[in-house]
Amino acid sequence: GAVVSQHPSWVICKSGTSVKIECRSLDFQATTMFWYRQFPKQSLMLMATSNEGSKATYEQGVEKDKFLINHASLTLSTLTVTSAHPEDSSFYICSVIWTGATEAFFGQGTRLTVV
Amino acid sequence: AQSVSQHNHHVILSEAASLELGCNYSYGGTVNLFWYVQYPGQHLQLLLKYFSGDPLVKGIKGFEAEFIKSKFSFNLRKPSVQWSDTAEYFCAVGEYAGGGNKLTFGTGTQLKVEL
Repeated sequence: GAVVSQHPSWVICKSGTSVKIECRSLDFQATTMFWYRQFPKQSLMLMATSNEGSKATYEQGVEKDKFLINHASLTLSTLTVTSAHPEDSSFYICSVIWTGATEAFFGQGTRLTVV
Repeated sequence: AQSVSQHNHHVILSEAASLELGCNYSYGGTVNLFWYVQYPGQHLQLLLKYFSGDPLVKGIKGFEAEFIKSKFSFNLRKPSVQWSDTAEYFCAVGEYAGGGNKLTFGTGTQLKVEL
């Protein structure tokens, strides 16, 4: 069964509003979570790396004030897209990993559409 | 920075045909290499991975991949595909960061297996 739960699976929001996406690790304590974004017909692009209890590390070109990441516990990380615009419409995917693991587990993704 | 190139964007095969999906990467350091599969409507799942040792790695569902360092390649193979292998396949290079592998993905290959 799934070890990572991402919610919601899809969301439509109005331009200018904020959207929160949750990523939960179901079976283990995730020390590190990664957030990816995938545009149509393109690769998954890493947005940020999130470690529990510390600030997220953002990849170059990703606005940290626009994509707020909170990793408040070992089982939950959230990505908030603030003041969303149509160009933020994309597929957002989280992955989680725990200490000593050699592979990450992925959530099912969230399809965000900003209208 | 590392990059991953998948040359085949769409592949259509008949059942029982052999499969080879190309993956080339550029990265200056020690690489960890992965192949992920995403079946329609499902999470990304790990097919196989290479960290060190035998360059021919075997994964789940009869898949294997060969790491050829001199060619910076990690091609995925399966001798005889099945209809259930219809999915999108992603090659990824991992860079160890903050407790886990930070992955750089290729653009993916959409495989369709026809009966």
